[in-house]
Amino acid sequence: GENVGLHLPTLSVQEGDNSIINCAYSNSASDYFIWYKQESGKGPQFIIDIRSNMDKRQGQRVTVLLNKTVKHLSLQIAATQPGDSAVYFCAEIGGSQGNLIFGKGTKLSVKP
Amino acid sequence: DAGVTQSPTHLIKTRGQQVTLRCSPKSGHDTVSWYQQALGQGPQFIFQYYEEEERQRGNFPDRFSGHQFPNYSSELNVNALLLGDSALYLCASSLQTGNYGYTFGSGTRLTVV
Repeated sequence: GENVGLHLPTLSVQEGDNSIINCAYSNSASDYFIWYKQESGKGPQFIIDIRSNMDKRQGQRVTVLLNKTVKHLSLQIAATQPGDSAVYFCAEIGGSQGNLIFGKGTKLSVKP
Repeated sequence: DAGVTQSPTHLIKTRGQQVTLRCSPKSGHDTVSWYQQALGQGPQFIFQYYEEEERQRGNFPDRFSGHQFPNYSSELNVNALLLGDSALYLCASSLQTGNYGYTFGSGTRLTVV
């Protein structure tokens, strides 16, 4: 399958632990942010999003935090499972552009 | 309800050749965007099509061109292939008036030799 994780920063966690993946975004005018999960051989899959007028949003087992002051996003995954193993990307949309700008990914490896 | 489908899944081409990749958007979506993902990198925006016109373009040379058909499907064409064009090409569909709800296909892996 497609190895999208080659050369990416890697976070290795034990099954059941919480994971925190961080991302720095580039455009202070960006007003919408998305976290994607990409498994080998697949395209990016939507996890959770957040708008710039919020600083926290929770989903099922996932939480996204936004710090606009330092242009930082984080994705927290509770009780990490082996099925969470993948490459995670943050993406931003801002200004007049509607296209996604992806950050550098992080490869999450979950040890059983 | 089918999601985004891309064809072919894998392709090998020789330097200097031309290639056409295809994308069928998710049912109900009217906008198609193309991304290039080099190994170990995040996807890079190539261009976006809506109403059969290129609406936005990323920092890619004119060798990269596209088309959108009346049924919203799209093609990505790359001329004069270079070794550096080897990548996973992703198609994402969305609704122009929607709230950035992008759905990605599984991509076409292009290898240029």
